[in-house]
Amino acid sequence: EIVLTQSPGTLSLSPGEGATLSCRASQSVSSNNLAWYQQRPGQAPRLLIFGASTRATGIPDRFSGSGSGTDFTLTISTLEPEDFAVYYCQHFGNLPRLTFGGGTKVEIK
Amino acid sequence: EGQLVESGGGVIQPGGSLRLSCAASGVTVSDNYMSWVRQAPGKGLEWVSVSYGDGNRFYADSVRGRFTISRDNSKNTMYLHMNGLRADDTAVYFCAREYFFGACDIWGQGTMVTVSS
Repeated sequence: EIVLTQSPGTLSLSPGEGATLSCRASQSVSSNNLAWYQQRPGQAPRLLIFGASTRATGIPDRFSGSGSGTDFTLTISTLEPEDFAVYYCQHFGNLPRLTFGGGTKVEIK
Repeated sequence: EGQLVESGGGVIQPGGSLRLSCAASGVTVSDNYMSWVRQAPGKGLEWVSVSYGDGNRFYADSVRGRFTISRDNSKNTMYLHMNGLRADDTAVYFCAREYFFGACDIWGQGTMVTVSS
């Protein structure tokens, strides 16, 4: 079973700053199988990135994904007020079919 | 754009049963891989089950043997039948459409299940 470890657990930043979120897999995975989500309080997750680097429909270009093998990164170039939320990475594979990281909370400093 | 709406959550005693529904519009349940994902209060996301278009179904170890996923294609609705509920099943349950290699692009708003005596 693939385990995804996200770091840091919390990022304290100010609007206008950039954010770099890490997701490390316990073994090498296909980039096709790696996605990122944003979740605001009381809301469902929202797909940001699939295939490690492709933005989902309607996602602003300040969000970008990169990485391969075991190390993946979500970058937010310039934080907007609505970007303060929890971010999850997800792997698609054999059972369990979907595995999520523990999340990174991006909070206002 | 597709929409998913969950219903059926509530407060149930340990050992009880509940059926959750996920009604779809703008997306055809029978043509898609559809998953249930849950989130315990203050915790992260946990995949629960998936239903394939060909009828195959798979479950997380934590619910296998207790939960059953099903579909009613005539109603364009997916269900999660939950038996033997335990306190650690307490969570918001989301249904989601898988789009690309498991990436879920359409999510419902979630329905809360609380297992408590």
